[in-house]
Amino acid sequence: AQTVTQSQPEMSVQEAETVTLSCTYDTSESDYYLFWYKQPPSRQMILVIRQEAYKQQNATENRFSVNFQKAAKSFSLKISDSQLGDAAMYFCAYWDAGNNRKLIWGLGTSLAVNP
Amino acid sequence: NAGVTQTPKFQVLKTGQSMTLQCAQDMNHEYMSWYRQDPGMGLRLIHYSVGAGITDQGEVPNGYNVSRSTTEDFPLRLLSAAPSQTSVYFCASSYSRVSNYGYTFGSGTRLTVV
Repeated sequence: AQTVTQSQPEMSVQEAETVTLSCTYDTSESDYYLFWYKQPPSRQMILVIRQEAYKQQNATENRFSVNFQKAAKSFSLKISDSQLGDAAMYFCAYWDAGNNRKLIWGLGTSLAVNP
Repeated sequence: NAGVTQTPKFQVLKTGQSMTLQCAQDMNHEYMSWYRQDPGMGLRLIHYSVGAGITDQGEVPNGYNVSRSTTEDFPLRLLSAAPSQTSVYFCASSYSRVSNYGYTFGSGTRLTVV
């Protein structure tokens, strides 16, 4: 069965600095998608970035980028120029195109941004 | 604004009471789902639907019922509330069962069962 592991329950970063959140996953599938979601204190789940497994190029969305290492089954999120509004819970999620067709979630990393 | 609307935002129930959490989306999404979020356990799938008239169970369906009579609405019913159902509930939708563009989430319902 597919699993997603986020090994850092909590992280902190200074405002304007860069932080990397880790995510590893386990799958035997070759066609799948990976996501990072952000959950601020408002509770709203917000899609941050998406990566297709068949694409070697790492996805980027403004200050957010990923380091996708398919062979190592690693999918880390880098936040550059951290802002106070980046403080949130971050969830990594996996979805495959097989029969499962359900998002598999990590347990999340709580990110604090220090002024 | 287009999106997923969940009501209510907060609810307190007594053990044994029943209630319905409402979820509506106006994006013509085929796929809708309900999750519960508990500390240390992440998000767990309760039920999902791939279209009007079609529903299926997720990981933790016991104690919950769903129906999908229209594309827009996907209510979650708690039949007889128990303290173990105290949680934050999220409704999520996506364009199709092939959810490779990610889900759009509602703002959640915090439910407390006393």
